[in-house]
Amino acid sequence: ERVMTQSPATLSVSPGESAALSCRASQSVKNNLAWYQQKPGQAPRLLIYYASTRATGIPARFSGSGSGTEFTLTISSLQSEDFGVYYCQQYNNWPLTFGGGTKVDIK
Amino acid sequence: EVLLVESGGGLVQAGGSLRLSCTSSAFTFNSNAMGWVRQAPGKGLDWVSVLGGRDGSTEYADSVKGRFTISRDNSKNTLFLQMNSLRAEDTAVYYCAKRRHDNGGDFDSWGRGTLVTVSS
Repeated sequence: ERVMTQSPATLSVSPGESAALSCRASQSVKNNLAWYQQKPGQAPRLLIYYASTRATGIPARFSGSGSGTEFTLTISSLQSEDFGVYYCQQYNNWPLTFGGGTKVDIK
Repeated sequence: EVLLVESGGGLVQAGGSLRLSCTSSAFTFNSNAMGWVRQAPGKGLDWVSVLGGRDGSTEYADSVKGRFTISRDNSKNTLFLQMNSLRAEDTAVYYCAKRRHDNGGDFDSWGRGTLVTVSS
């Protein structure tokens, strides 16, 4: 099983600042990695797939990078609506696995 | 715009059964891979099962294998998750989600979820 480890667990950011969220896979998942955003009481929303491709309607301030075992989601110039929990997920191998999440909150 | 709608959640005693449903007016389930992902209260996302679109192949997380069954009714364009021998640790919001490709990929559309509570 590919274990996905996200860091940090919590990130406090001021609006307008940038944030870098990390996701590490226990073994290579190539570029078969997605990032999701979830706000309280809502379903997850896809942000990034294939490690660096933005999903439809996702603003350009969200960018993904990495391959193999190390991945980063960067949010430049954070907006108030960007606060929430972010999850990475690998879909290279069974079982599909998610990271534990990074909570981005207001500093 | 809500593209996937789950139903069937509720309160059930440990050892009991429940069947979840997921419908869509936007996607045809027999040509898209579909899956279930759950989230226990205050916890992260946990993949449960996937059903292939064209070939109907199935995959399950070890934690539910032998107890849960994923299936669909093509005539009603409805996805199901039959959950038997439920345990307290199955308590969660269950999301129905579509995979990007029939043979894999991320989950590019999600329903709002249905809550399953298993009492011990």
